[in-house]
Amino acid sequence: DTAVSQTPKYLVTQMGNDKSIKCEQNLGHDTMYWYKQDSKKFLKIMFSYNNKELIINETVPNRFSPKSPDKAHLNLHINSLELGDSAVYFCASSRQGGGYTFGSGTRLTVV
Amino acid sequence: KQEVTQIPAALSVPEGENLVLNCSFTDSAIYNLQWFRQDPGKGLTSLLLIQSSQREQTSGRLNASLDKSSGRSTLYIAASQPGDSATYLCAADRGSTLGRLYFGRGTQLTVWP
Repeated sequence: DTAVSQTPKYLVTQMGNDKSIKCEQNLGHDTMYWYKQDSKKFLKIMFSYNNKELIINETVPNRFSPKSPDKAHLNLHINSLELGDSAVYFCASSRQGGGYTFGSGTRLTVV
Repeated sequence: KQEVTQIPAALSVPEGENLVLNCSFTDSAIYNLQWFRQDPGKGLTSLLLIQSSQREQTSGRLNASLDKSSGRSTLYIAASQPGDSATYLCAADRGSTLGRLYFGRGTQLTVWP
């Protein structure tokens, strides 16, 4: 199936830990994104990568570090997790001029 | 900065009704306009994409229109069904390699039998 897949689907962790979320797309898109959906369900962009190059970094704390090993993968590493990081994180991809395809989300809970 | 507003925030209707969900955006220099559906605890499913040169798109019982000059898009749902219950999100894309989606806060739709 052509899709954007992200893992894990759920992540429960303690404050101060470091965790990673992985994302892969097999749609042949050039651009990949991380979006955050907060507790009020509002979606906002965090990062975008175009062909492995960071394009958008939307005033996200530097505890969040994206990494794109190739244009089909975009991972998100979070250091020193805080309670306020609890949210749903969505990976997405697009091609220029086309629509966006989203993954199913990773629900991160920091306790 | 692009701001996207969706009205109403919530809608509860009996099945069979024809519905209108509204979306407005402040910067008319958008590239594409995309409507998504989100079920509780789930991801985003793309419903309709209105590309730069288009004014509307249709898929089954759904029809979306786009008027860039007035900064508005409308999603029509015909003959609503309980299975249509979900949150509907409107998102504007600025296009180019700096593309990003600016989302509205959604319309939470409940269709009861």
